Order: sequence, then C-alpha cells, then structure tokens
Amino acid sequence: AQSVTQLGSHVSVSEGALVLLRCNYSSSVPPYLFWYVQYPNQGLQLLLKYTSAATLVKGINGFEAEFKKSETSFHLTKPSAHMSDAAEYFCAVSSDTGRRALTFGSGTRLQVQP
Amino acid sequence: SAVISQKPSRDICQRGTSLTIQCQVDSQVTMMFWYRQQPGQSLTLIATANQGSEATYESGFVIDKFPISRPNLTFSTLTVSNMSPEDSSIYLCSVVVGPGQGVEQYFGPGTRLTVT
Repeated sequence: AQSVTQLGSHVSVSEGALVLLRCNYSSSVPPYLFWYVQYPNQGLQLLLKYTSAATLVKGINGFEAEFKKSETSFHLTKPSAHMSDAAEYFCAVSSDTGRRALTFGSGTRLQVQP
Repeated sequence: SAVISQKPSRDICQRGTSLTIQCQVDSQVTMMFWYRQQPGQSLTLIATANQGSEATYESGFVIDKFPISRPNLTFSTLTVSNMSPEDSSIYLCSVVVGPGQGVEQYFGPGTRLTVT
C-alpha cells in the first residue's frame, strides 16, 4: 500500500521568499514520486518527478525536490516565489511494480503575498 | 507527452440523470485512468480503463454507478449514473506515456460536474 502526507493545507509566503512544501510518503516498494500543480479552474500539470535516478530533481518554473529515503520525504522548494506560483500543489506516489495509478496527497494551497 | 481532451468541459445536471464524459488522447496509450476531485479535495482514483475488457474499480466505486468503456487505445468514456448532488466533482482522465510501461502520467483538463 502507498500513501502520501502533505503537511500544511495552506502555505503563505511573500513574493521573493523561499517556498517549501512538505511531502512524506509511505510505500512498501521503491516509489516513483511526483509533484503536480493545479492553477484555478485548470487541470493538473506535472512539475517534476523522481524515478530512482538523481535524488535532487529539477522541474519546471524553477521548482526542485529532493528525495530523502531515510526521511521518506520529497519536499518541493523554490528559492524565490513569484505571484504566478499561487496555486494548489499535489504530491503523488506510484511504483514500478505494475500499479501505475497515482495516490495523491491532500494538497497544499500556496498563497504568495506581494 | 500527450494531448488529452475531455468533453464536456462542464455541465449542470439534474439529480437522477446520467452524464457520459469522453476522453480522447492524441496517441495510443496503454494505461488510462479516471479520477474524481470533489470540491476542495484531492484526487481519488475511480478506476483503470482497460482496453477491450472491463474496467478495474477502486474500493468504493462500482460499475453500476460509474460504467466505463474503452473501445481502443485512444478513447474512453466514464458515465456517472443516477446522479445525486454528492456526485458534484471534477472528473479527470489521465494516461501513462512513455516507452514500455512509462512513468509519467498526464491529465486531461477535467469535466466540472454540478448536480442540482
């Protein structure tokens, strides 16, 4: 069984500040981990993915995430927030062992204050 | 990647009726899924749409309520049957793209359903 926990349903940062969105996972097999972003009234866009290669993964729009097996974490960061980053962010897990469907976390809404 | 379209993009339906949502992909894909996103919530997997055979449903979802068809590798439909206000959600289809089984999953724009 797999699960994802996102700590903090709402995160608010100032424009230019560091963005840190937390994600912890549980998986009985080596996981594949993903971050998706959902802008208001839009579908999901893949930000980045971890698939057992480099533990530090760079994605689109300046975001990156680090896979830490010892901490079962895959936190999303961005050095400097932009107003356009305001959205809902979802962490998700799947695996290589047959089941490809994603298990999603509950989501974190990022607000960026001017 | 894949370009995925869904029809309709949104609809308002009366309780007791049914709505069929279409998902079209611009390339042949092995794996296709249907998810539900209830208002203010995360995404929950409804079922895996299997080409040429019955869909595989997740716990809490049944074929009588959410019949799914997948006649080929580029198209699928999800029907929401005998709707109630609790079915008001965004319904999204997704596909796995890549060599072999692949790992990246791409989502359609979603169908926003309101049941009155």
